Amino acid sequence: KAGVTQTPRYLIKTRGQQVTLSCSPISGHRSVSWYQQTPGQGLQFLFEYFSETQRNKGNFPGRFSGRQFSNSRSEMNVSTLELGDSALYLCASSPRGGLGQETQYFGPGTRLLVL
Amino acid sequence: AQSVSQHNHHVILSEAASLELGCNYSYGGTVNLFWYVQYPGQHLQLLLKYFSGDPLVKGIKGFEAEFIKSKFSFNLRKPSVQWSDTAEYFCAVNANNQGGKLIFGQGTELSVKP
Repeated sequence: KAGVTQTPRYLIKTRGQQVTLSCSPISGHRSVSWYQQTPGQGLQFLFEYFSETQRNKGNFPGRFSGRQFSNSRSEMNVSTLELGDSALYLCASSPRGGLGQETQYFGPGTRLLVL
Repeated sequence: AQSVSQHNHHVILSEAASLELGCNYSYGGTVNLFWYVQYPGQHLQLLLKYFSGDPLVKGIKGFEAEFIKSKFSFNLRKPSVQWSDTAEYFCAVNANNQGGKLIFGQGTELSVKP
């Protein structure tokens, strides 16, 4: 099976702009989670989607949003970008997610640089 | 709030040395535990996981970890490291009542000298 894919791999934006990142989970996986990775804060959970519904949300401002489509593909959006949003954004998928006892498989990430 | 603590930020070892990376978590309920590895330029990969049963779990590439419930710990070990083990290692915890949410430790960077 193909792994988790994320597009684009690299992005450069300026402050105030908005950005949309895309994630395609492993075929058959219905849960998609998003994480932000920075040198200072490490890996932080953004949100989790399952069957097109946000099931869990981390402590990020409302500028960070996401959605999931019927084919389980997911997008996350960051509006009004700030310099501190520069990070590696990781997507992970698992078959069901909600029951906890599952492995999450990570994609390569999208590296966002905000100037 | 749940948290995961990794004791060492950067560990430097010579090849063939033994490795132990510490991981402690704060959560009183049932947890699922993971160690992930991120090799330079690559994405996060699962090393091993603990859900239930035997607290000593074995993973890929000769790694193992022991879950000690009374100490809220899940330390990673390898008897003899190789240069190819140079990577960043992350401990992660998932609480059974929080869906797919993973709480990660800060990571430990391992450098193995040939």
